[in-house]
Amino acid sequence: EVQVVESGGGLVQPGGSLRLSCAASGITFSDFWMSWVRQGPGKGLEWVASVKPDGGETSYVDSVKGRFTISRDNAKNSLYLQMSGLRAEDTAVYYCATGRATSQYWGQGTLVTVSS
Amino acid sequence: QSALTQPASVSGSPGQSITISCTGTSSDVGGYNYVSWYQQHPGKAPKLMIFEVTNRPSGIPDRFSGSKSGNMASLTISGLQAEDEADYYCSSYTSSSTVFFGGGTKLTVL
Repeated sequence: EVQVVESGGGLVQPGGSLRLSCAASGITFSDFWMSWVRQGPGKGLEWVASVKPDGGETSYVDSVKGRFTISRDNAKNSLYLQMSGLRAEDTAVYYCATGRATSQYWGQGTLVTVSS
Repeated sequence: QSALTQPASVSGSPGQSITISCTGTSSDVGGYNYVSWYQQHPGKAPKLMIFEVTNRPSGIPDRFSGSKSGNMASLTISGLQAEDEADYYCSSYTSSSTVFFGGGTKLTVL
């Protein structure tokens, strides 16, 4: 059974930093592109970033470029999202998902709240 | 960067068919066969229903089908059931190596 579990969310002040983690099991993690997708309160889905299986290529939505960094550790079957310079508009549930153009497996999400 | 365009809501009665459209540009929907559709029930994670325009993952009933013409993709659900009531999102790979999602469509089963 495939399991994807996010962690690391919480309340952070504007301008602060947070690191999200995602642990995947039941798949050959190193075969998959991996992505972060977020959903603001009462809003739709927004793709945030993706990373190639070997970690050698990354891509980001314009609104987080220069502030967020996606990375992975294939030895630990883990995906990360380092977030800095956080803004109120970054408040959302952050989902970890396999794939890039097609996301078959999703976690249940971790809530990030940016507020003073 | 702009989201793909979906109707805000659609509705249908049990047993009927509905279609949800997803309009993009030649740089995303029209340029690649990497359109996916996701179903999301309240408080739950999205679920993949259709990938690469027309393909269904294992376990997804054949009542769900996808198609594409030009810059517009569509999701059709036939034989509507109460459990189909949910939000539906399309997504597409883009020429910038990014992914766009649609704004989402709320399906109401009357």
